[in-house]
Amino acid sequence: DQQVKQNSPSLSVQEGRISILNCDYTNSMFDYFLWYKKYPAEGPTFLISISSIKDKNEDGRFTVFLNKSAKHLSLHIVPSQPGDSAVYFCAARQGGSEKLVFGKGTKLTVNP
Amino acid sequence: DAGVTQSPTHLIKTRGQQVTLRCSPKSGHDTVSWYQQALGQGPQFIFQYYEEEERQRGNFPDRFSGHQFPNYSSELNVNALLLGDSALYLCASSLKGQGVWNEQFFGPGTRLTVL
Repeated sequence: DQQVKQNSPSLSVQEGRISILNCDYTNSMFDYFLWYKKYPAEGPTFLISISSIKDKNEDGRFTVFLNKSAKHLSLHIVPSQPGDSAVYFCAARQGGSEKLVFGKGTKLTVNP
Repeated sequence: DAGVTQSPTHLIKTRGQQVTLRCSPKSGHDTVSWYQQALGQGPQFIFQYYEEEERQRGNFPDRFSGHQFPNYSSELNVNALLLGDSALYLCASSLKGQGVWNEQFFGPGTRLTVL
């Protein structure tokens, strides 16, 4: 049972444009959501997070939006850069737990 | 400041064998979590160690066991290996008591292949 779903295995965008990565979840007990970025041969690195009490969190070029009623979150990257090319994982945790539940990932390719 | 390190980088075993993977946490961290990432999948939580005890466990059989040492480093042991155990094994470290979220820093992983 996939509690965190990333339905787009891949996404390709032009440099300078916006990248939008989507994530859906089914467990209403999740209270904290995170995005990780992973380059080949490296471990995932934390990118940005959002608490369930918020609907938006921004950090530089990265913004995460949370729609609790739809159980949906998205990561916006503006403007996209070739160095952003990586696999992006959406992850969630249930209150008080440090166990992360990950989606399958979306491979983002930013073309120069 | 060294990040999370894991050894070995790659490992090849045959079915039925046993394997031990090692992890050294980021300097100053006291908690280690282990994840399994199968090909084309996201990481799946195996268990977490804190104060040398298993604190949380994911949906993995008892063949998967672990240990944490007084210096906070950790081992993951898998017995009676199956072909389906082939995966990237990721270690993540964190420091307890940081507030809403104890950020987890991941190592590069150990690629295990079971033949």
